[in-house]
Amino acid sequence: GQNIDQPTEMTATEGAIVQINCTYQTSGFNGLFWYQQHAGEAPTFLSYNVLDGLEEKGRFSSFLSRSKGYSYLLLKELQMKDSASYLCAVRDGGYSTLTFGKGTMLLVSP
Amino acid sequence: EAGVTQFPSHSVIEKGQTVTLRCDPISGHDNLYWYRRVMGKEIKFLLHFVKESKQDESGMPNNRFLAERTGGTYSTLKVQPAELEDSGVYFCASSQADYNEQFFGPGTRLTVL
Repeated sequence: GQNIDQPTEMTATEGAIVQINCTYQTSGFNGLFWYQQHAGEAPTFLSYNVLDGLEEKGRFSSFLSRSKGYSYLLLKELQMKDSASYLCAVRDGGYSTLTFGKGTMLLVSP
Repeated sequence: EAGVTQFPSHSVIEKGQTVTLRCDPISGHDNLYWYRRVMGKEIKFLLHFVKESKQDESGMPNNRFLAERTGGTYSTLKVQPAELEDSGVYFCASSQADYNEQFFGPGTRLTVL
């Protein structure tokens, strides 16, 4: 089975940097995904890590440590529009389906 | 390029009724997935199609749920008869290859009264 943990809520200020952590315990591993979801909308793909290290994409970066079962999503220069739920999802080793965490609701204030 | 679309966006039905949800994947995507999010819980996998074939249906809750993808294009998910615990948001996603990122639709919010 799979277990994915991430904080329920986080708050941050516009212009700041925030790090959202995700830990996982899985029977297999074939990649970790981060999605952003605004209320009532589709989850939107942000990043993908399958090897250890940091992947940077504009204001968003994602880090993975497979030995520790740990990932984080780093958001820089926060904007009000970044207020959303951030979902961590793991792809099992033998399958393409995703197992999701419950999501972290990020609130960015002025 | 159009994204994944789902219909309807909302559905309210009574216990015992039947509901059919539809998903149109991104054109050319052979892989189609159904997921569900029950209130307060995480998004959970239901089913995976590769073209018209069911690759993995290990997440389907019970035999009241029937998914089809005739012709390998759009897919339907039928719930018959619906129960209260079926309420939630049903998401569809598609990907070009099974190792690519999945693109999600906006979901269908199903409420069973």
